[in-house]
Amino acid sequence: DGGITQSPKYLFRKEGQNVTLSCEQNLNHDAMYWYRQDPGQGLRLIYYSQIVNDFQKGDIAEGYSVSREKKESFPLTVTSAQKNPTAFYLCASSMARGDEQFFGPGTRLTVL
Amino acid sequence: AQSVTQPDIHITVSEGASLELRCNYSYGATPYLFWYVQSPGQGLQLLLKYFSGDTLVQGIKGFEAEFKRSQSSFNLRKPSVHWSDAAEYFCAVAPTGTASKLTFGTGTRLQVTL
Repeated sequence: DGGITQSPKYLFRKEGQNVTLSCEQNLNHDAMYWYRQDPGQGLRLIYYSQIVNDFQKGDIAEGYSVSREKKESFPLTVTSAQKNPTAFYLCASSMARGDEQFFGPGTRLTVL
Repeated sequence: AQSVTQPDIHITVSEGASLELRCNYSYGATPYLFWYVQSPGQGLQLLLKYFSGDTLVQGIKGFEAEFKRSQSSFNLRKPSVHWSDAAEYFCAVAPTGTASKLTFGTGTRLQVTL
């Protein structure tokens, strides 16, 4: 079945540590996105990539980094510079000029 | 800049009752409009979308939404709610021509009482 996988589902890290969240899609989509979700704030765009080896900052990119070395993969690193990293992180993908974004199941990151 | 307002944070309805979730947007032209649903701890699923044409849009799970340009609204409706509809609902907008720059509302949590 085609879809988007995110791993792990739950992730715990100590404050000050970098952590990388995985996102893989087998939908042959060109564009991929990372969102952060906090209670009462909806989804906010962190980074997006419309093509391999290229990506753009979203609305809340500070403290995060990404790479897009393969079309299928768009990992997100939450660095120690992110002041409030505890959140639910959602990955999505779409065709380049597509009319819909498809979402993965999400990763809940808790920083202790 | 585009923005989306969902004025109701939490709504409770009885099973079998009708439902309307409100969404208002701010955008210079007619944007692409979407409704997504999210079950607890899960990703988002698209319920329906509006691009152009007929202003009443049918979606999955018996949902529909009506685009009203004069009111900058895209309200979601369902004639008879089922207990399984309990979830969080998000309205989103994107510039015409692409869904690559979605702006989401803050969501409405729906509780269904039996």
